Amino acid sequence: EDQVTQSPEALRLQEGESSSLNCSYTVSGLRGLFWYRQDPGKGPEFLFTLYSAGEEKEKERLKATLTKKESFLHITAPKPEDSATYLCAVSGGYQKVTFGTGTKLQVIP
Amino acid sequence: DGGITQSPKYLFRKEGQNVTLSCEQNLNHDAMYWYRQDPGQGLRLIYYSQIVNDFQKGDIAEGYSVSREKKESFPLTVTSAQKNPTAFYLCASSVEGPQAHQPQHFGDGTRLSIL
Repeated sequence: EDQVTQSPEALRLQEGESSSLNCSYTVSGLRGLFWYRQDPGKGPEFLFTLYSAGEEKEKERLKATLTKKESFLHITAPKPEDSATYLCAVSGGYQKVTFGTGTKLQVIP
Repeated sequence: DGGITQSPKYLFRKEGQNVTLSCEQNLNHDAMYWYRQDPGQGLRLIYYSQIVNDFQKGDIAEGYSVSREKKESFPLTVTSAQKNPTAFYLCASSVEGPQAHQPQHFGDGTRLSIL
């Protein structure tokens, strides 16, 4: 069975303080790893898909990277509007997408 | 703008009552999904459909039912057999089914509570 573990569960940063969120996974044949952002009371918003180890994707202050066992979401110089829960998910060989429980990020002005 | 519309945003269920959650998409996606989100847990798959008039059970299908009569619509019924229905329900769609590598796109959810 595919598994996704995200850490930390919660992260509090000062505005401008860069950090990384971790997504560790075990999957039978990775087809894709997805990052989402979820605001309170809203549905997840798609950010990135990574397909193979070594791949990187960037969007504004966010950069996602992928190895054979984990993915990192790097946040550079975060702003308060980056506060949200970030979800990681994998699509593997069991024809389903498995989601992690998320990292709740709070960026303080 | 293309997207997924879920309604209502809030829904209350009485004991013994069935309720139906609406999901409509105009993205021309073939696959649609229903998830349940509870605090501290990852999204759990209830049902999914890869094509009109066909759907498959997910990990927690008991107490739920779906239909897929149109490509654009995938309503979820929470039946009285679902004893713990209080949760945030999310509908999603993707170009192809879960065996492909495209991301799923989500609506803004329906929060269901017990009266």
